[in-house]
Amino acid sequence: QKEVEQNSGPLSVPEGAIASLNCTYSDRGSQSFFWYRQYSGKSPELIMFIYSNGDKEDGRFTAQLNKASQYVSLLIRDSQPSDSATYLCAVSQGNNRLAFGKGNQVVVIP
Amino acid sequence: DGGITQSPKYLFRKEGQNVTLSCEQNLNHDAMYWYRQDPGQGLRLIYYSQIVNDFQKGDIAEGYSVSREKKESFPLTVTSAQKNPTAFYLCASSIGSGVTQYFGPGTRLLVL
Repeated sequence: QKEVEQNSGPLSVPEGAIASLNCTYSDRGSQSFFWYRQYSGKSPELIMFIYSNGDKEDGRFTAQLNKASQYVSLLIRDSQPSDSATYLCAVSQGNNRLAFGKGNQVVVIP
Repeated sequence: DGGITQSPKYLFRKEGQNVTLSCEQNLNHDAMYWYRQDPGQGLRLIYYSQIVNDFQKGDIAEGYSVSREKKESFPLTVTSAQKNPTAFYLCASSIGSGVTQYFGPGTRLLVL
């Protein structure tokens, strides 16, 4: 079973601080990596994707990929109350599928 | 207005009943997917289809069936064989396989 692990429990951050989320994966053949945001009771929405090692920035979000260590992370700078949600990590698999982690809940405290 | 629609938003199933969840997309995407999400859990793949008239089982296909007669439509039937169907069902689509998937709003299935 190829797995995606998001082990951190709920993350509480003060408004304006940086939220850091981590994700590890087991399939060394994975090529594409995604972060989705899911508000309570809603469907996931894509916020970032990354294919190459290194950092990718989009507004207040930065994705970081390290294929050698098999982890991908998401940084949320200047966290806002509207960032309070569950963040799902997804990793492409060789059989044209995505494997999802269980998600990390982020709570931004005003 | 392009996107993925799912209906109904809420669905109630009686014991022994088959129910069908609708998923339609007008994004001209080739691939479509059905996931199940239980509270506090990630998304588990039920079925996926990369092309019309073809589909593959995912990780938890037992008790479910699908069809892909049109590119735009990928309905999911939850059969009476699925003994624990209460969950949030999400349909997704992508231009090709393994690339970015976009999700519909979901259907919440409850058992009476």
